[in-house]
Amino acid sequence: DGGITQSPKYLFRKEGQNVTLSCEQNLNHDAMYWYRQDPGQGLRLIYYSQIVNDFQKGDIAEGYSVSREKKESFPLTVTSAQKNPTAFYLCASSPGTVTGELFFGEGSRLTVL
Amino acid sequence: ILNVEQSPQSLHVQEGDSTNFTCSFPSSNFYALHWYRWETAKSPEALFVMTLNGDEKKKGRISATLNTKEGYSYLYIKGSQPEDSATYLCAFPGNQFYFGTGTSLTVIP
Repeated sequence: DGGITQSPKYLFRKEGQNVTLSCEQNLNHDAMYWYRQDPGQGLRLIYYSQIVNDFQKGDIAEGYSVSREKKESFPLTVTSAQKNPTAFYLCASSPGTVTGELFFGEGSRLTVL
Repeated sequence: ILNVEQSPQSLHVQEGDSTNFTCSFPSSNFYALHWYRWETAKSPEALFVMTLNGDEKKKGRISATLNTKEGYSYLYIKGSQPEDSATYLCAFPGNQFYFGTGTSLTVIP
């Protein structure tokens, strides 16, 4: 079945450590996105990529990094520079057009201890 | 940053009640408006993608209307059921997708 897979589902990190969240899609979508959700807030865009080897900062990119070396994969690294990394992270993909629906992964919950 | 607003923030209704909520978005440079349903412990899923002013789309008991000139869309649920309990998100696509904060619907059996 086509879909989008995020891992891990739950992740605990000590302060000062970098962690990488995986996002893989087999939908042949050009565009991929990373969102963050905090309690009581909507989805906020961290980074997005519309084509391989290219990506753009979203509204809250500070303290995060991404790569897009393959069409199927868009990993997100939460660096130690991210001051408040405890959150729920959602990855999504789309065909890259304004009418193309977003398909979401199941999310990764990161907790910093 | 584009401003996409949803109201109300949360809603509790009795089973069988009909309900509706609103998404407001910029009326200029309109391309499309997306609605998504996000059930607890699941991934958000697309409900509707709306493009034309006056458009009305329907999926079962859920329908949506669009007014691009005034910049709003309504989502209606007729005869709410407990399985309709979810957060409903609207998204305005531009060079990225701009999401509203969502309406959390709880249907009480």
